[in-house]
Amino acid sequence: DAGVIQSPRHEVTEMGQEVTLRCKPISGHNSLFWYRQTMMRGLELLIYFNNNVPIDDSGMPEDRFSAKMPNASFSTLKIQPSEPRDSAVYFCASTRDGYQPQHFGDGTRLSIL
Amino acid sequence: QKEVEQNSGPLSVPEGAIASLNCTYSDRGSQSFFWYRQYSGKSPELIMFIYSNGDKEDGRFTAQLNKASQYVSLLIRDSQPSDSATYLCAVTPMDSNYQLIWGAGTKLIIKP
Repeated sequence: DAGVIQSPRHEVTEMGQEVTLRCKPISGHNSLFWYRQTMMRGLELLIYFNNNVPIDDSGMPEDRFSAKMPNASFSTLKIQPSEPRDSAVYFCASTRDGYQPQHFGDGTRLSIL
Repeated sequence: QKEVEQNSGPLSVPEGAIASLNCTYSDRGSQSFFWYRQYSGKSPELIMFIYSNGDKEDGRFTAQLNKASQYVSLLIRDSQPSDSATYLCAVTPMDSNYQLIWGAGTKLIIKP
């Protein structure tokens, strides 16, 4: 079975530009998580979806960040406008019914210049 | 504030020896415990999960859970250079069925 698929793998863009990260969860998994990982702060949960509905977005840092899950097989995380401090690795993970364990995608390494 | 604590390391272990990684957690009601391995530049990969007190073995890996003392450990027998990675401990808090509280990870180096 295919794992969690994320795109792009790397993104380099200038400050102020819009960034869109994409995720396809494992088929049959109905819970999806977006994480951000930095050396300073480790893994941080940004938002959690269950059955395509955002359940917990308390980790979204500010209004510049938004996430959608229009269907069971696709989610996006958007940053607009982007800032250098948004530079990090962004992971998407999925599970069945929110129960652990979580399975991670390969991540998107984002660099904002 | 729910916390998961790990020694950041690096923990250096000779090849063939037993590597012992430890993790303590603050939420006494936590029910599920996970160990993930993360190679540099890669994503976290699940190695073990444990729900009950005691030991759980899977190949060269053994997870140990002691809820009374609020710690969980991971033992790696016959350590190989390919085991060199950062090991992340994650715990499900009592008041959530989806959230994971993550430790900062322990960097393990297996020396040939």
